[in-house]
Amino acid sequence: AQKVTQAQTEISVVEKEDVTLDCVYETRDTTYYLFWYKQPPSGELVFLIRRNSFDEQNEISGRYSWNFQKSTSSFNFTITASQVVDSAVYFCALSGGDSGAGSYQLTFGKGTKLSVIP
Amino acid sequence: ETGVTQSPTHLIKTRGQQVTLRCSSQSGHNTVSWYQQALGQGPQFIFQYYREEENGRGNFPPRFSGLQFPNYSSELNVNALELDDSALYLCASSLTGLGYNEQFFGPGTRLTVL
Repeated sequence: AQKVTQAQTEISVVEKEDVTLDCVYETRDTTYYLFWYKQPPSGELVFLIRRNSFDEQNEISGRYSWNFQKSTSSFNFTITASQVVDSAVYFCALSGGDSGAGSYQLTFGKGTKLSVIP
Repeated sequence: ETGVTQSPTHLIKTRGQQVTLRCSSQSGHNTVSWYQQALGQGPQFIFQYYREEENGRGNFPPRFSGLQFPNYSSELNVNALELDDSALYLCASSLTGLGYNEQFFGPGTRLTVL
Protein backbone atom coordinates (compact mmCIF):
# COMPACT_ATOMS: atom_id res chain seq x y z
CA ALA A 1 0.00 0.00 0.00
CA GLN A 2 1.10 3.53 -0.67
CA LYS A 3 1.25 6.18 2.01
CA VAL A 4 2.17 9.86 2.17
CA THR A 5 2.90 11.62 5.43
CA GLN A 6 2.98 15.38 5.88
CA ALA A 7 3.83 15.78 9.53
CA GLN A 8 3.37 19.55 9.61
CA THR A 9 -0.32 20.33 9.94
CA GLU A 10 0.01 24.11 10.02
CA ILE A 11 2.90 26.53 9.55
CA SER A 12 2.91 30.30 9.99
CA VAL A 13 5.72 32.48 8.68
CA VAL A 14 6.26 36.18 8.27
CA GLU A 15 6.43 37.47 4.72
CA LYS A 16 9.87 37.12 3.09
CA GLU A 17 10.87 34.23 5.33
CA ASP A 18 11.85 30.91 3.74
CA VAL A 19 9.72 27.88 4.58
CA THR A 20 10.11 24.15 3.92
CA LEU A 21 7.19 21.74 3.74
CA ASP A 22 8.05 18.15 4.52
CA CYS A 23 6.79 15.06 2.72
CA VAL A 24 7.66 11.43 3.45
CA TYR A 25 6.28 8.59 1.37
CA GLU A 26 6.02 4.80 1.40
CA THR A 27 5.63 2.61 -1.65
CA ARG A 28 6.61 -0.86 -2.88
CA ASP A 29 6.70 0.24 -6.50
CA THR A 30 10.10 0.47 -8.13
CA THR A 31 8.86 3.22 -10.42
CA TYR A 32 6.66 5.92 -8.96
CA TYR A 33 5.83 9.58 -9.31
CA LEU A 34 5.64 12.31 -6.71
CA PHE A 35 3.58 15.45 -6.99
CA TRP A 36 2.94 18.67 -5.12
CA TYR A 37 -0.39 20.46 -5.36
CA LYS A 38 -1.50 23.80 -3.94
CA GLN A 39 -5.07 24.32 -2.71
CA PRO A 40 -5.97 27.98 -2.18
CA PRO A 41 -9.12 28.91 -0.23
CA SER A 42 -11.13 28.67 -3.46
CA GLY A 43 -10.70 24.88 -3.24
CA GLU A 44 -9.25 24.03 -6.63
CA LEU A 45 -6.09 21.90 -6.53
CA VAL A 46 -3.32 23.47 -8.59
CA PHE A 47 -0.56 21.23 -9.94
CA LEU A 48 2.93 22.44 -9.04
CA ILE A 49 5.43 19.72 -9.92
CA ARG A 50 5.91 16.05 -10.82
CA ARG A 51 9.07 14.12 -10.02
CA ASN A 52 9.94 10.63 -11.33
CA SER A 53 11.47 8.12 -8.94
CA PHE A 54 14.47 7.59 -11.20
CA ASP A 55 15.34 11.28 -11.37
CA GLU A 56 16.75 12.58 -8.10
CA GLN A 57 17.85 15.90 -9.50
CA ASN A 58 16.53 18.78 -7.45
CA GLU A 59 14.44 21.36 -9.21
CA ILE A 60 14.04 25.09 -8.86
CA SER A 61 11.26 27.16 -10.35
CA GLY A 62 11.41 30.79 -9.36
CA ARG A 63 10.91 30.97 -5.59
CA TYR A 64 9.97 27.28 -5.42
CA SER A 65 12.42 24.42 -5.06
CA TRP A 66 12.04 20.71 -4.45
CA ASN A 67 14.46 18.32 -2.78
CA PHE A 68 13.90 14.64 -3.63
CA GLN A 69 15.90 12.14 -1.58
CA LYS A 70 15.16 8.51 -2.38
CA SER A 71 17.38 7.28 0.46
CA THR A 72 15.09 8.87 3.03
CA SER A 73 11.86 8.62 0.96
CA SER A 74 11.36 12.33 1.18
CA PHE A 75 10.24 14.97 -1.28
CA ASN A 76 10.40 18.34 0.45
CA PHE A 77 9.20 21.67 -0.92
CA THR A 78 10.84 25.01 -0.11
CA ILE A 79 9.41 28.44 -0.77
CA THR A 80 12.01 31.18 -0.69
CA ALA A 81 11.04 34.73 0.31
CA SER A 82 7.45 33.77 1.01
CA GLN A 83 4.60 36.03 -0.02
CA VAL A 84 1.05 36.43 1.24
CA VAL A 85 -0.21 34.85 -2.00
CA ASP A 86 1.58 31.64 -1.00
CA SER A 87 -0.96 31.14 1.79
CA ALA A 88 -2.75 27.89 0.98
CA VAL A 89 -2.88 24.21 1.84
CA TYR A 90 -0.14 22.24 0.14
CA PHE A 91 -0.50 18.56 -0.64
CA CYS A 92 2.16 16.02 -1.48
CA ALA A 93 0.90 13.06 -3.53
CA LEU A 94 2.20 9.76 -4.88
CA SER A 95 1.25 7.52 -7.79
CA GLY A 96 2.74 4.20 -8.79
CA GLY A 97 4.30 3.51 -12.15
CA ASP A 98 4.32 -0.27 -12.12
CA SER A 99 1.52 -2.00 -14.00
CA GLY A 100 -1.52 -3.14 -12.13
CA ALA A 101 -3.97 -1.74 -9.67
CA GLY A 102 -2.93 1.41 -7.91
CA SER A 103 -0.64 2.75 -10.56
CA TYR A 104 -3.09 5.36 -11.68
CA GLN A 105 -4.52 6.85 -8.52
CA LEU A 106 -3.02 9.67 -6.52
CA THR A 107 -2.44 8.99 -2.84
CA PHE A 108 -2.41 12.29 -0.97
CA GLY A 109 -1.00 13.35 2.36
CA LYS A 110 -3.22 15.25 4.77
CA GLY A 111 -1.76 18.56 3.67
CA THR A 112 0.11 21.40 5.33
CA LYS A 113 -1.68 24.70 5.81
CA LEU A 114 0.73 27.56 5.20
CA SER A 115 -0.12 31.04 6.44
CA VAL A 116 2.13 33.89 5.38
CA ILE A 117 1.67 36.91 7.60
CA PRO A 118 2.35 40.35 6.12
CA GLU B 1 -7.88 25.41 -23.86
CA THR B 2 -10.79 24.82 -21.48
CA GLY B 3 -9.95 23.49 -18.05
CA VAL B 4 -11.84 20.98 -15.95
CA THR B 5 -15.30 22.13 -15.00
CA GLN B 6 -17.71 20.73 -12.43
CA SER B 7 -21.36 21.25 -11.64
CA PRO B 8 -23.05 22.13 -9.45
CA THR B 9 -20.80 24.21 -7.22
CA HIS B 10 -22.76 23.52 -4.07
CA LEU B 11 -25.45 21.03 -3.21
CA ILE B 12 -27.52 20.32 -0.12
CA LYS B 13 -29.26 16.96 0.26
CA THR B 14 -30.88 15.00 3.04
CA ARG B 15 -29.88 11.60 4.28
CA GLY B 16 -31.14 8.76 2.07
CA GLN B 17 -31.40 10.86 -1.08
CA GLN B 18 -29.44 10.34 -4.28
CA VAL B 19 -27.12 12.84 -5.97
CA THR B 20 -25.41 13.20 -9.36
CA LEU B 21 -22.31 15.32 -9.82
CA ARG B 22 -20.94 16.25 -13.23
CA CYS B 23 -17.50 16.86 -14.65
CA SER B 24 -16.19 17.99 -18.03
CA SER B 25 -12.62 16.99 -18.69
CA GLN B 26 -9.91 19.21 -20.11
CA SER B 27 -9.69 19.24 -23.89
CA GLY B 28 -7.66 16.28 -25.18
CA HIS B 29 -7.90 14.29 -21.94
CA ASN B 30 -9.55 10.85 -22.02
CA THR B 31 -9.25 9.96 -18.34
CA VAL B 32 -11.30 11.26 -15.43
CA SER B 33 -10.71 10.53 -11.74
CA TRP B 34 -12.98 11.35 -8.83
CA TYR B 35 -11.83 12.19 -5.31
CA GLN B 36 -13.61 12.87 -2.04
CA GLN B 37 -12.07 15.45 0.27
CA ALA B 38 -13.45 15.64 3.80
CA LEU B 39 -12.83 18.81 5.77
CA GLY B 40 -9.21 19.10 6.86
CA GLN B 41 -8.14 15.96 4.99
CA GLY B 42 -6.39 15.14 1.77
CA PRO B 43 -8.40 13.94 -1.22
CA GLN B 44 -9.31 10.23 -1.26
CA PHE B 45 -9.49 8.36 -4.57
CA ILE B 46 -12.97 7.11 -5.45
CA PHE B 47 -12.54 5.73 -8.98
CA GLN B 48 -11.15 6.48 -12.41
CA TYR B 49 -12.66 6.21 -15.87
CA TYR B 50 -10.60 5.68 -18.99
CA ARG B 51 -12.31 5.70 -22.37
CA GLU B 52 -15.73 5.07 -20.82
CA GLU B 53 -14.66 2.14 -18.63
CA GLU B 54 -13.86 2.03 -14.93
CA ASN B 55 -10.10 1.77 -14.64
CA GLY B 56 -9.75 1.31 -10.90
CA ARG B 57 -11.58 1.95 -7.67
CA GLY B 58 -10.65 3.09 -4.20
CA ASN B 59 -12.13 1.94 -0.91
CA PHE B 60 -15.66 3.24 -1.44
CA PRO B 61 -18.93 1.24 -1.25
CA PRO B 62 -20.95 0.31 -4.36
CA ARG B 63 -23.44 3.13 -3.72
CA PHE B 64 -20.74 5.33 -5.25
CA SER B 65 -20.97 4.76 -8.99
CA GLY B 66 -19.95 6.59 -12.10
CA LEU B 67 -20.13 6.95 -15.83
CA GLN B 68 -17.98 8.35 -18.55
CA PHE B 69 -19.48 9.51 -21.82
CA PRO B 70 -18.07 9.40 -25.38
CA ASN B 71 -16.96 13.03 -25.06
CA TYR B 72 -15.05 11.96 -21.89
CA SER B 73 -17.20 13.96 -19.51
CA SER B 74 -18.19 12.05 -16.41
CA GLU B 75 -20.78 11.67 -13.69
CA LEU B 76 -20.47 10.59 -10.09
CA ASN B 77 -23.62 9.15 -8.54
CA VAL B 78 -24.09 8.55 -4.85
CA ASN B 79 -27.14 6.63 -3.62
CA ALA B 80 -28.57 6.45 -0.10
CA LEU B 81 -26.64 9.47 1.10
CA GLU B 82 -25.16 9.37 4.57
CA LEU B 83 -24.06 12.26 6.77
CA ASP B 84 -20.41 11.24 6.28
CA ASP B 85 -20.76 11.80 2.55
CA SER B 86 -20.61 15.53 3.23
CA ALA B 87 -17.38 16.62 1.52
CA LEU B 88 -15.80 18.40 -1.41
CA TYR B 89 -15.92 16.16 -4.48
CA LEU B 90 -13.11 16.78 -6.90
CA CYS B 91 -12.87 15.67 -10.48
CA ALA B 92 -9.51 15.47 -12.24
CA SER B 93 -8.67 14.80 -15.85
CA SER B 94 -5.44 13.52 -17.38
CA LEU B 95 -4.08 12.63 -20.80
CA THR B 96 -4.14 8.92 -20.01
CA GLY B 97 -4.74 6.71 -17.01
CA LEU B 98 -1.06 6.09 -16.39
CA GLY B 99 0.59 7.04 -13.13
CA TYR B 100 2.98 9.60 -14.54
CA ASN B 101 0.36 11.84 -16.06
CA GLU B 102 -0.44 14.98 -14.14
CA GLN B 103 -4.03 15.17 -13.05
CA PHE B 104 -5.68 18.55 -13.48
CA PHE B 105 -8.44 19.29 -11.02
CA GLY B 106 -11.73 21.10 -11.30
CA PRO B 107 -13.04 23.53 -8.67
CA GLY B 108 -15.05 20.82 -6.93
CA THR B 109 -18.63 20.33 -5.78
CA ARG B 110 -19.34 20.98 -2.11
CA LEU B 111 -21.95 18.43 -0.97
CA THR B 112 -23.70 18.86 2.35
CA VAL B 113 -25.88 16.03 3.65
CA LEU B 114 -28.33 16.96 6.41
